[in-house]
Amino acid sequence: SQQGEEDPQALSIQEGENATMNCSYKTSINNLQWYRQNSGRGLVHLILIRSNEREKHSGRLRVTLDTSKKSSSLLITASRAADTASYFCATVGGSNYKLTFGKGTLLTVNP
Amino acid sequence: DTAVSQTPKYLVTQMGNDKSIKCEQNLGHDTMYWYKQDSKKFLKIMFSYNNKELIINETVPNRFSPKSPDKAHLNLHINSLELGDSAVYFCASSQPWEGDTQYFGPGTRLTVL
Repeated sequence: SQQGEEDPQALSIQEGENATMNCSYKTSINNLQWYRQNSGRGLVHLILIRSNEREKHSGRLRVTLDTSKKSSSLLITASRAADTASYFCATVGGSNYKLTFGKGTLLTVNP
Repeated sequence: DTAVSQTPKYLVTQMGNDKSIKCEQNLGHDTMYWYKQDSKKFLKIMFSYNNKELIINETVPNRFSPKSPDKAHLNLHINSLELGDSAVYFCASSQPWEGDTQYFGPGTRLTVL
């Protein structure tokens, strides 16, 4: 069954604003990852946070993880039109390296 | 240099036909995957191979048969195609010590008429 569930399903903001996307999951995890998918393209890995980490930064990205609430958030600061894409969270649990994806958030950044 | 490549990019075929999608990675990874993304963008794993050995086989009709001739290649053969097989199929690869970060191919859009 589906593991991750992103919220909101769609988000539209103006360039320069911050975008926050949330992800909830159901079972215990080893790590949680965020991916970006531009329209008609494959997924690109953005950031990975391990189950014993609470926050991680990469450039304009900030990811938090709350294992007690089984939730994560992805913050994109100072958004750009080029950030327009679908964003997926994916969890890894167990030893078989299987990624379980959520349904994604479609982010539109208007210039 | 393309890390994970898939061919073809687009595939349009009739119901009942048999087709194959090929995937190659030049990252030296041991693990490769096939995913299916439906029209609602939901991405679901189908198969995973580690060093040519099948390690994940989700509930997929047996019309779908993966084949890994070597650890750099993972092909997907689909028999007796059905309308519901229309989707985008993604190949990916990973290496465990990278935290299972997966590198995706560009996708193959399969349309069954």
